[in-house]
Amino acid sequence: QSVLTQPPSVSGAPGQRVTISCTGSSSNIGAGYDVHWYQQLPGTAPKVLIYGNINRPSGVPDRFSGSKSGTSASLAITGLQAEDEADYYCQSYDSSLSGWVFGGGTKVTVL
Amino acid sequence: QVQLVESGGGVVQPGRSLRLSCAASGFTFSSYAMHWVRQTPGEGLEWVAVISYDGTNKYYADSVKGRFTISRDNSKNTLFLQMNSLRAEDTAVYYCARDIVPVAIRPAAFDIWGQGTMVTVSS
Repeated sequence: QSVLTQPPSVSGAPGQRVTISCTGSSSNIGAGYDVHWYQQLPGTAPKVLIYGNINRPSGVPDRFSGSKSGTSASLAITGLQAEDEADYYCQSYDSSLSGWVFGGGTKVTVL
Repeated sequence: QVQLVESGGGVVQPGRSLRLSCAASGFTFSSYAMHWVRQTPGEGLEWVAVISYDGTNKYYADSVKGRFTISRDNSKNTLFLQMNSLRAEDTAVYYCARDIVPVAIRPAAFDIWGQGTMVTVSS
């Protein structure tokens, strides 16, 4: 049972927009800690996609965007492409656990 | 080229020990806090431990506290994870990862990850 809750899967047709939610609590996202998002392609290590809620590292397409409100955060992918098929994880910090926490991951399928 | 390369994984019996290494290159290793993160087969990610840039501060997940020890050798640009009293539930791919922000340990993202090393605990 992950501290941060994500939907197990989302899907969309090429070109569509999909969103992935990440729900936390008052000891992590709600406490003001930043949310970060990672993309993990099959057989590879995670790659940071969004950091500090809304920031994209250089090289990450602007089709990916992040937002945060209250005890939740979201990752949006616009103009969905076949190469976006991957697992996506949100991450934050939890003051009750005194450690970094991840969501359970969301598998994105491009129909 | 900024890179992290883990090694030391393998198959080990329950109760035994294993030491993982993570060799860093392409950046000033001694300026960054470093983490270990693990991923059980087919499952999600779990943060394991963090060590400050100078090795003075270390923090652990409750699931490994008292059994695992994180350390670093800045002169050799290498991060370690000593795993003792291993259990079946420690079976996972272990990644080392760099804090995105240099110097202090902060609740920040991990911007550089190694390729991972597999640890299997089984009799």
